[in-house]
Amino acid sequence: QSVLTQPPSASGTPGQRVTISCSGSSSNIGGNYVYWYQQLPGTAPKILLYMNHQRPSGVPDRFSGSKSGTSASLAISGLRSEDEADYYCAAWDDSLSVWMFGGGTKLTVL
Amino acid sequence: EVQLVESGGGLVQPGRSLRLSCAASGFTFDDYGMHWVRRAPGKGLEWVSGISWNSGSKVYSDSVKGRFTISRDNAKNSLYLQMNSLRAEDMALYYCARSSDYYDTSGHFDFWGQGTLVTVSS
Repeated sequence: QSVLTQPPSASGTPGQRVTISCSGSSSNIGGNYVYWYQQLPGTAPKILLYMNHQRPSGVPDRFSGSKSGTSASLAISGLRSEDEADYYCAAWDDSLSVWMFGGGTKLTVL
Repeated sequence: EVQLVESGGGLVQPGRSLRLSCAASGFTFDDYGMHWVRRAPGKGLEWVSGISWNSGSKVYSDSVKGRFTISRDNAKNSLYLQMNSLRAEDMALYYCARSSDYYDTSGHFDFWGQGTLVTVSS
């Protein structure tokens, strides 16, 4: 069981805005940066957001991130069919001295 | 262009060993920490282990601590994962990933390989 808690699934129609939550604790999200990864079907994961909300070059501004206390969220606006993927939050845990991934959220574009 | 190419996966019996390799190119290897991350069938991503740029720091998940050993050879631009006492639950696609900075306890995983499949079965 993951220490970072995400909903197992999310869905939306093209053009909609969806959000994916990630809940942790003071030893991980509360005290460290949150990262979001996207894994498209059959491909390797890719960094989507780093340091809570920063977008790497090439990631559309439709993707945004925020953090408050021990929770974080990923928002995707203007949903597109190619956004259908698994999304993971991650953070370093100071107490356990390990990297934690959330359980992952499967996003379906209806 | 950054490239990470994993190898060494295969079918292994429970209790046996396997050594994974990751060949890196397109960047100055010893400027970056490196990690192994796996994804078991039907499951999500699980971080396995990380190593700092100079091998001075190594960290492991509780699920592999004492059984797996991470190492690197900066002269060969290569990362390794020695996996001993393999269990059925270690069966997964293993990814090599680069840290965005020198260390294994900070930064993010900014480049990933395509993975090598480890199957543990008798």
